Amino acid sequence: DAGVIQSPRHEVTEMGQEVTLRCKPISGHDYLFWYRQTMMRGLELLIYFNNNVPIDDSGMPEDRFSAKMPNASFSTLKIQPSEPRDSAVYFCASSLSYSPLHFGNGTRLTVT
Amino acid sequence: AQTVTQSQPEMSVQEAETVTLSCTYDTSENNYYLFWYKQPPSRQMILVIRQEAYKQQNATENRFSVNFQKAAKSFSLKISDSQLGDTAMYFCAFRSVQGAQKLVFGQGTRLTINP
Repeated sequence: DAGVIQSPRHEVTEMGQEVTLRCKPISGHDYLFWYRQTMMRGLELLIYFNNNVPIDDSGMPEDRFSAKMPNASFSTLKIQPSEPRDSAVYFCASSLSYSPLHFGNGTRLTVT
Repeated sequence: AQTVTQSQPEMSVQEAETVTLSCTYDTSENNYYLFWYKQPPSRQMILVIRQEAYKQQNATENRFSVNFQKAAKSFSLKISDSQLGDTAMYFCAFRSVQGAQKLVFGQGTRLTINP
């Protein structure tokens, strides 16, 4: 099992540009989560899906953020337009019900 | 809403010592899951140990064990015979089994093991 796969590992972009982060969950997992980690705010849940359906997006900071899960094996988190305060590490995680989350290696986003 | 609190932002011990990391949580539910995750400098999130609330027996994984006090809503992690490789951020986390199954994290404890 390859685990949760995130891409890219690092992303550097300029303010105002669109950023797309990608995630491939573990096969068979029915939950997918997007978290953001910063020094100031720790680990924040942005959104999570169950069976490809968004369940709770209350953590999405602004309309600039959007997430999709078109099928069971792929999800994207998009920021448009990006701002310097979006700089953080973004984690994707997947799981079965009532089970621990398995995390990807994260994407470090830097917006200049 | 559930909350998880880790009251020790940083801890430091000597190699081979035993260290205990504290975690408390708030919930009105009777059944749930608790986890400790480790995040070394590589930034990977690694599951250390899990505890089901309906189990009275404390979970143990090699040098790692928990002290789960359900009535007190406390879930501490004990690391015995600490090793340099244990240096990391440690996060306590709560997962409900009812309705929303999101994982709620504490703020983390930065643990340093000194040689």
